[in-house]
Amino acid sequence: KNEVEQSPQNLTAQEGEFITINCSYSVGISALHWLQQHPGGGIVSLFMLSSGKKKHGRLIATINIQEKHSSLHITASHPRDSAVYICAVWGGAQKLVFGQGTRLTINP
Amino acid sequence: DTGVSQDPRHKITKRGQNVTFRCDPISEHNRLYWYRQTLGQGPEFLTYFQNEAQLEKSRLLSDRFSAERPKGSFSTLEIQRTEQGDSAMYLCASSEGQAGAFFGQGTRLTVV
Repeated sequence: KNEVEQSPQNLTAQEGEFITINCSYSVGISALHWLQQHPGGGIVSLFMLSSGKKKHGRLIATINIQEKHSSLHITASHPRDSAVYICAVWGGAQKLVFGQGTRLTINP
Repeated sequence: DTGVSQDPRHKITKRGQNVTFRCDPISEHNRLYWYRQTLGQGPEFLTYFQNEAQLEKSRLLSDRFSAERPKGSFSTLEIQRTEQGDSAMYLCASSEGQAGAFFGQGTRLTVV
């Protein structure tokens, strides 16, 4: 079992829909990243959080440390949100451990 | 400083050749990480440096792989005697401790 599990692996939705991507982890962490990766490979960090909730534009990230679970929400989704979203955690080994990613496709 | 930069962005090489990739981290970051990502998978950890010291190497990093960070600034990742299975995106990231990690654009390696 991977230390970081994401669900779903693939998600297709219509423009405007509310999107939720989930991340569960099995290790103790100090912080969690949500990352976005577009075709071509570049990774952009969306959020780093260690408790509670953060919001940036249409993106919201939440984390529940006790339940070892985080969610990334996208409100009013748009085709330009289509990308792979990756959850990564800073574990005790002082390196980022990544989930497998969720491929999101938003159709117009 | 414009972020983490990697060079080259793309590399096509014949099987058996050696290749070297470079990563320039954000200047004040003491940690530098190398990851490998194959199609449809999340990045897998290869190795990381704190300043010039290589603190951890993954079992994925076979004897054909070597990484250096000689002055605690830029890093190089060399693959000797490349194999087709080495084809992947090689990602570099840097951080100041466990503060936010910043990623390069990656080097896409294709071994033919």
